[in-house]
Amino acid sequence: DIQMTQSPSSLSASVGDRVSITCRASQNINFFLNWYQQKPGKAPHLLIYGTSSLHSGVPSRFSGSRSGTDFTLTISGLQREDFATYYCQQSYNNTYSFGQGTKLEIK
Amino acid sequence: EVQLVESGGGLVQPGGSLRLSCAASGFTLSHFEMNWVRQAPGKGLEWLSYISTRGTTIYYADSVRGRFTISRDDAKNSLYLQMDSLRVEDTAVYYCTRGARTMTSNAFNLWGQGTMVTVS
Repeated sequence: DIQMTQSPSSLSASVGDRVSITCRASQNINFFLNWYQQKPGKAPHLLIYGTSSLHSGVPSRFSGSRSGTDFTLTISGLQREDFATYYCQQSYNNTYSFGQGTKLEIK
Repeated sequence: EVQLVESGGGLVQPGGSLRLSCAASGFTLSHFEMNWVRQAPGKGLEWLSYISTRGTTIYYADSVRGRFTISRDDAKNSLYLQMDSLRVEDTAVYYCTRGARTMTSNAFNLWGQGTMVTVS
């Protein structure tokens, strides 16, 4: 099975900051990496698919990138509504494993 | 409105069974691959099961294989998850999700609001 190691598990930042969250796959997953955002008490929703493509309606301050088996979600210019928990997910094979999540909190 | 609505959650004793349903509206379910994902209280997301269009291919996570059964009824625009031999550790919010596959990506682009299952 493909393991996804996400870091950090929590992150404190201020409005306007630029932050990055990393996800490392245990093997090559090509570009099959997605990012989701989840707010308390709500279902997750898709932010980025295929490593770097923004889902419909997602602001351009969100971006995704890849270096080998390391994937990064970057938020440039944090807005108040961005404080949430973020999950990466591999979709290379048919087990769709998620990272452990990163809780982004207001400093 | 394009949406997924889960139902069927509740309180069940260990060893019991429950059947979750997911009603799709605003789109044609038969065109899409579907999945179930769950989230235990205060924990992260866990993918459980996948079903292809027409139900010809099915996959399960190791944690539920042999106990849970995914199915679909495209005529009713509905997805199901039959859960047997339930354990305390199956307590979670259960989400149905719609898959969106291309040559270079495969993501869950629509989620239901979730239904809570408590095994106690």
